[in-house]
Amino acid sequence: GAVVSQHPSRVICKSGTSVKIECRSLDFQATTMFWYRQFPKQSLMLMATSNEGSKATYEQGVEKDKFLINHASLTLSTLTVTSAHPEDSSFYICSAARVTSGGANEQFFGPGTRLTVL
Amino acid sequence: KNQVEQSPQSLIILEGKNCTLQCNYTVSPFSNLRWYKQDTGRGPVSLTIMTFSENTKSNGRYTATLDADTKQSSLHITASQLSDSASYICVVSARAGANNLFFGTGTRLTVIP
Repeated sequence: GAVVSQHPSRVICKSGTSVKIECRSLDFQATTMFWYRQFPKQSLMLMATSNEGSKATYEQGVEKDKFLINHASLTLSTLTVTSAHPEDSSFYICSAARVTSGGANEQFFGPGTRLTVL
Repeated sequence: KNQVEQSPQSLIILEGKNCTLQCNYTVSPFSNLRWYKQDTGRGPVSLTIMTFSENTKSNGRYTATLDADTKQSSLHITASQLSDSASYICVVSARAGANNLFFGTGTRLTVIP
């Protein structure tokens, strides 16, 4: 259990276009999902926290108008990179929170999406 | 300042050998510590999770230790395999919730035949 999927796994787009990345919790309902960005040889950096049915909470320095997040259901969150630029090229990872059998609140990560903006 | 530091940055070992990765943290208040394995181009996969009261936790060939007094943790890998080549990330949670995670920069392990 606790499987999180992302689609697409890789995407290449032209500068100025928009790209949508989907994150799904396949076998559990997640009230909270998270979006991270990871540059080469660096750790994951939290971009935003997404709660079902409400506006996402963005970390300092992350432009909410550029990185649109929609959490339409308990199993789906989407990240749209608008007007993409080459500096947006990165590895985007989502995670979904679930309370484990031991009572701990744990995040389960998706496989990531490699975005390349030409 | 809440920080998580890992050492070494990278490590190369021969297949079949053991190794130990270190994690020091200054996160407070402490809730739990997790070790993740991240293969290149993939998302992190949880190996172990330990709370304040746990000193040791094993998952197959992976054994994690936690010393909450010194704020140190280690991940020991025994009888390494080529498939163990990956980045190992130490993540500390500051509260009893999923939202407040602090990530280490990881240790890049390469196992060679």
